[in-house]
Amino acid sequence: EVQLVESGGGLVQPGGSLRLSCTGSGFTFSSYWMNWVRQAPGKGLEWVANIKEDGSEKYYVDSVKGRFTISRDNAKNSLYLQMNNLRAEDTALYYCARDPTVRSDPKWYFDLWGRGTLVTVSS
Amino acid sequence: DVQMTQSPSTLSASVGDRVTITCRASQSISYWLAWYQQKPGKAPKLLIYEASTLQSGVPSRFSGSGSGTEFTLTISSLQPDDFATYYCHQYTISPLTFGSGTKVEVK
Repeated sequence: EVQLVESGGGLVQPGGSLRLSCTGSGFTFSSYWMNWVRQAPGKGLEWVANIKEDGSEKYYVDSVKGRFTISRDNAKNSLYLQMNNLRAEDTALYYCARDPTVRSDPKWYFDLWGRGTLVTVSS
Repeated sequence: DVQMTQSPSTLSASVGDRVTITCRASQSISYWLAWYQQKPGKAPKLLIYEASTLQSGVPSRFSGSGSGTEFTLTISSLQPDDFATYYCHQYTISPLTFGSGTKVEVK
């Protein structure tokens, strides 16, 4: 089955750190750009970051630049999001999402999503 | 950033109704727009990309139209499985941005 499964969420204090993981299966993970998208409780969707198939290009939304780092390990079919200096406004369900293009310029929309992992930043 | 304004925010409808959701962009995005469906506790599902191209496996009762700044998602005959929240998404200007969502609920 083609799927993405996120993990690593939890409760963290403001200023703390957390590392999210996403594992892909049922497809050639190393052939796709990958993304993180988040959704605050009761709110809409916000794109957070993406990374090229080989990890050589990375892009971030301004609100997380300098605090979050996206990375991947294609040998483990895994995507990561290292989140440092967390703020209350980072509280959200974090989704891993796949760009549909295979080994080409990204399309920038998402054809496969995981079910998300919840991050709560609170004292 | 490109602001995506969806309307209505909530839509009450019955099975069999024709439903139309509108999404407006704050600047032209050509046809680089996608629509997603999300049900409570589930991951979003891609319905349409490039404003009008139906994703494989999506029922033909879903259709999309528009270009530039105004777009619509239409469900020709609402089915029980279609009660959900729908989001538009522009993907031509960084940062990628989404609409605030339209919840289709039972009338």
